[in-house]
Amino acid sequence: GAGVSQSPSNKVTEKGKDVELRCDPISGHTALYWYRQSLGQGLEFLIYFQGNSAPDKSGLPSDRFSAERTGGSVSTLTIQRTQQEDSAVYLCASSLYLEPEQYFGPGTRLTVT
Amino acid sequence: AQSVTQLGSHVSVSEGALVLLRCNYSSSVPPYLFWYVQYPNQGLQLLLKYTTGATLVKGINGFEAEFKKSETSFHLTKPSAHMSDAAEYFCAVSQNSGGSNYKLTFGKGTLLTVNP
Repeated sequence: GAGVSQSPSNKVTEKGKDVELRCDPISGHTALYWYRQSLGQGLEFLIYFQGNSAPDKSGLPSDRFSAERTGGSVSTLTIQRTQQEDSAVYLCASSLYLEPEQYFGPGTRLTVT
Repeated sequence: AQSVTQLGSHVSVSEGALVLLRCNYSSSVPPYLFWYVQYPNQGLQLLLKYTTGATLVKGINGFEAEFKKSETSFHLTKPSAHMSDAAEYFCAVSQNSGGSNYKLTFGKGTLLTVNP
């Protein structure tokens, strides 16, 4: 079946612009996670969704970062007023309810110039 | 809080040689442990996982890992390296953080190079 998909695969934006990154999880997966992979920080957790709710936003690095999920499916990560330090690969993962195994998408590479 | 330490950011082996990638973790509760592989410009692919039960777990592509609670380790091994194994490998730990939240904490990764 279809895996986790993310779009766009690459995004180049100018400092100060807003960007939206999209994640389509595996059908039926109620849990959805966003992670960030950067050279300096490695792989780090950003936010967790169960259904449309986000009970754990502890990894969001600043209030410029926000995310939502609609219909228990698609999720959008929004970064406002992008900074150069936001340049990274943003990975989305999904899993079944009460299952620890996560399936990752291919990621979105964000470059802020 | 949980953490993961991968010893060796870069491991180089010859084709056909044993692969050993080291991972130690800390966790206040029994952990779930994972190894993921990442090929260039791709996402993370699950190699194997330990949740409960047998401490020696087998994964895809001939990899296996053993959960050793007394040593807080989960080292990844493969008896004979192939050129196609060249990639970056990440060890990760999770625990139930409430509801169905199994957010992962990753190690820094180990880049495996396989020489002909």
